[in-house]
Amino acid sequence: ILNVEQSPQSLHVQEGDSTNFTCSFPSSNFYALHWYRWETAKSPEALFVMTLNGDEKKKGRISATLNTKEGYSYLYIKGSQPEDSATYLCASSTTSGTYKYIFGTGTRLKVLA
Amino acid sequence: DVKVTQSSRYLVKRTGEKVFLECVQDMDHENMFWYRQDPGLGLRLIYFSYDVKMKEKGDIPEGYSVSREKKERFSLILESASTNQTSMYLCASSSPRDRGYEQYFGPGTRLTVT
Repeated sequence: ILNVEQSPQSLHVQEGDSTNFTCSFPSSNFYALHWYRWETAKSPEALFVMTLNGDEKKKGRISATLNTKEGYSYLYIKGSQPEDSATYLCASSTTSGTYKYIFGTGTRLKVLA
Repeated sequence: DVKVTQSSRYLVKRTGEKVFLECVQDMDHENMFWYRQDPGLGLRLIYFSYDVKMKEKGDIPEGYSVSREKKERFSLILESASTNQTSMYLCASSSPRDRGYEQYFGPGTRLTVT
């Protein structure tokens, strides 16, 4: 994988459903993986930064896992709420350019009340 | 809290105009970035700067230039705006002192070129 790929591109879920998204990234020279939440008319907000294989991070109902050997990360949202509606971006950086990110195209989530 | 501000939320310019987009951060960050975001595409890096007066081209620098005269301010310049530069522009900053080089974003400027 040369680029960062996210799936699905978009999804609608009912309030209370749990959901998850995937981010695939180049595993060679991996340095860090970032998840952001981007709500309409707001700045992208950092959710997690993960650097170690097997890392798991949690913030409230949202959690993320990291597999650097196979180059993927999952973002989970438990019991989705309408305020979770946003675009979720992931970005990776490599040891050859630690401060430069490669962004995925994002997953647009709509939670229906 | 890190604060990254951008000079305008919405901007409408005519083809051929020179356009300045300003970004200011208040956390003494060394690195600053300009991205554009278009439907169906990820954030694409236009230019970045890792120090005052230093700049490097990103993935799509054509038609743009930048200026960083002070550490806190990073300007994106469209020398002669064209309709294909209609986009959302995001500024970000980061520091090597932060683990993972976490980037902090401004609210974006939606530029329309007519």
